[in-house]
This record gives sequence, structure tokens and C-alpha cells, in this order.
Amino acid sequence: NAGVTQTPKFRVLKTGQSMTLLCAQDMNHEYMYWYRQDPGMGLRLIHYSVGEGTTAKGEVPDGYNVSRLKKQNFLLGLESAAPSQTSVYFCASSFREPGELFFGEGSRLTVL
Amino acid sequence: QQQVKQSPQSLIVQKGGISIINCAYENTAFDYFPWYQQFPGKGPALLIAIRPDVSEKKEGRFTISFNKSAKQFSLHIMDSQPGDSATYFCAADGSTSYGKLTFGQGTILTVHP
Repeated sequence: NAGVTQTPKFRVLKTGQSMTLLCAQDMNHEYMYWYRQDPGMGLRLIHYSVGEGTTAKGEVPDGYNVSRLKKQNFLLGLESAAPSQTSVYFCASSFREPGELFFGEGSRLTVL
Repeated sequence: QQQVKQSPQSLIVQKGGISIINCAYENTAFDYFPWYQQFPGKGPALLIAIRPDVSEKKEGRFTISFNKSAKQFSLHIMDSQPGDSATYFCAADGSTSYGKLTFGQGTILTVHP
């Protein structure tokens, strides 16, 4: 049972490049989330989804887009990467609210 | 704006000691307060959680104490072990917020053998 899987685990980008982070969960969870983790800031919510075909903005959505075309997948896109987006990104999923969030192992992104 | 404030940022204790991490929240709509544990290179994992209808919850060596009137809650780790060395996050959620957790800043706990 894989749980929540994130790809890629590491990526280095140049300013202005674009990329997509993929999150896949095999627990049939309705809710999915993208967080970013920065030192001293905890985890901050970027975007979330409450079901297939739905997305909504979190606390820090600027510069990111998301899509949830399939229930098990939640994609996070950066259209034009900036150094301020250097961070560790975590995807999570949840069966219900409020309830336990299951996190992936993270994707470390560096923007030069 | 940080709605959940966590302290201390880092904590060093000796093996067998008690580790205490504190959190304070502002939003009175929060009604679910979990603690997450994160080891290096891993994602956070749920450790223990409490709802405001009780003042304390204990699971093994881990205890959450909750003070609704003060809008504070804390994690106590009894008989701390080197394997408890990790980053701990408090969080809060409201029942109508689609499970969107608001996290504290995190506490790096180091337990010396």
C-alpha cells in the first residue's frame, strides 16, 4: 500500500522555467492538499481539492496552479518559477474533515 | 498571518526527561487540534489529536493538554527517548474548513542519550 506518492522528489529549475509536481494517492480519499514547508514557517497551504474536478485556493496560492482531473491525482504547477518558490512541497490527502492527513515524502524544489 | 503560534522553536532534553511544546491559537472556530511528527526526509505523520470537549488526551508517553478559555494546547512527551528526536507541528482545523489544517511553525526536538 503506497499511500501518497509524490514525483519528482528533487528538482532544480532556473528562474522562469515551468514544471509540474504530481501527487498520487491510492486510499480513495476525497480531499487532497498541497503544502509548502519553509524553515520557521511551518507548513502553509497552497491549494486544495475537495473532490475530482474541484480546486480551491489556500493561504499562499500566488504563482501556482493545480488540477484534479482524476480523484487519485492532484497536480501542482509552476508556470514561471521564481527563487521565492524554493521550498519543500508536500502533498496530503484526507478521507474526511476534520481528520488525519496522510502526507507524501515531499518534493524538494530549488529555483536558481 | 499566523493563526497558530508554536513555541519553542527548538528544544533539547536528556533521555528520560519531559519534553513540552506549547501552541496558542486565535480562531475560536477551530475544533480539532492534532500534533504531527516529522522525521528528516519524511512527510509529517499524525501523532495524537484532541477535540475541545476534553481537557486532556493521553496515548502512551504522549499527552495533549487543552485549555479552551486560554486558547492554548500543549504536547507533553514523558520519558523522552532519542528516537523521539524529530520536528513536531501543532495544527488546528475547523469542522467546516474541508480539513484544511493551519500549522504552527514547528519545534525541533533533540533528545540526548
